[in-house]
Amino acid sequence: EPEVTQTPSHQVTQMGQEVILRCVPISNHLYFYWYRQILGQKVEFLVSFYNNEISEKSEIFDDQFSVERPDGSNFTLKIRSTKLEDSAMYFCASSIATDTQYFGPGTRLTVL
Amino acid sequence: EDQVTQSPEALRLQEGESSSLNCSYTVSGLRGLFWYRQDPGKGPEFLFTLYSAGEEKEKERLKATLTKKESFLHITAPKPEDSATYLCAVQARGTDKLIFGTGTRLQVFP
Repeated sequence: EPEVTQTPSHQVTQMGQEVILRCVPISNHLYFYWYRQILGQKVEFLVSFYNNEISEKSEIFDDQFSVERPDGSNFTLKIRSTKLEDSAMYFCASSIATDTQYFGPGTRLTVL
Repeated sequence: EDQVTQSPEALRLQEGESSSLNCSYTVSGLRGLFWYRQDPGKGPEFLFTLYSAGEEKEKERLKATLTKKESFLHITAPKPEDSATYLCAVQARGTDKLIFGTGTRLQVFP
């Protein structure tokens, strides 16, 4: 069964460093998303991406964040200058149309 | 403001003891309501999508129902492997994002 994959599974970084989280969405899906979940809190929407551009973003997704689909298979989330409060699980999701979203296993980001 | 409230926060059941989880929502035009299962340290695993009041979906021991204000996830004769956090999310018309509740942490004991 096709699934969303994410790398790395765990990323540790120093405050102020740049990180890139990588995702491979399900191959025939057209819509891509990033969410995050701070420990013990709700899953929160960050951004949606379709046809090589951002279609929607939340207030969390400020100028420190960017997304890219550098080739036909990868979808990346970049955080330019990490802060302590960026520590969270980051989930990538994809969907064929704008309905059921399938999530990856997540990347745990720890900012020291 | 669109929001989702799930109850109870935690539920402990004996194996075989059926129960229901509640998801109350307020949304400016419901596009879809989604149930996911989340194991510790893992991503949400899709279970069901419901689109309109009166709709029901079933999968093994799980059954999801939808009204205009809430959804229920009924678990019939649960097994220990059903232990997980169950998440409810809504999608409003005109938006792609899912709005999640805080989840119900279910523990099933043998």
